Amino acid sequence: GAGVSQSPSNKVTEKGKDVELRCDPISGHTALYWYRQRLGQGLEFLIYFQGNSAPDKSGLPSDRFSAERTGESVSTLTIQRTQQEDSAVYLCASSRSYEQYFGPGTRLTVT
Amino acid sequence: GQQLNQSPQSMFIQEGEDVSMNCTSSSIFNTWLWYKQDPGEGPVLLIALYKAGELTSNGRLTAQFGITRKDSFLNISASIPSDVGIYFCAGYSPIQGAQKLVFGQGTRLTINP
Repeated sequence: GAGVSQSPSNKVTEKGKDVELRCDPISGHTALYWYRQRLGQGLEFLIYFQGNSAPDKSGLPSDRFSAERTGESVSTLTIQRTQQEDSAVYLCASSRSYEQYFGPGTRLTVT
Repeated sequence: GQQLNQSPQSMFIQEGEDVSMNCTSSSIFNTWLWYKQDPGEGPVLLIALYKAGELTSNGRLTAQFGITRKDSFLNISASIPSDVGIYFCAGYSPIQGAQKLVFGQGTRLTINP
């Protein structure tokens, strides 16, 4: 069956621009998660959705980061006024229970 | 935030050798998950552990949920070239809540042919 998909796979943007990253979870998975992975590092939790609600936004690094989910399906992570420190791979995962399944990630480079 | 201490950070082994890595925490965990990440890919779930003392295998991989609930181990037997990658432990703890998965920093496995 189809796994988690993310788009774009790569994004290069200029400092100060806004970017929008998309995640399509596995069909039927009610929970959706966003993580950030800096080069050579582990995964840093950003936010998770249960259905269309985000009970835990504690991992969002600043108010430039926001996310939404609609139809208990697609989610978008938006980074406004990007900074060079935002350069990383952004990973999305979905789950029905405790086992999270990841997409391939979006590599964001801010120049 | 809560940390998982994963060791070793990197391993250089010969093909055919067995591999062992572990993850520890100062607080208890309810669930342990082990993932493998290849370059340019997202992490892939290898094994999930739900009970203290549980020992679970997936082919040449074996993982254990420590009896104290503060650690977990992953062993790979008879390593082959496709085992190369970064292995992450992850877990859910009562402190962080049921939905927040905490990750270790990863163990990078390199295999010399």
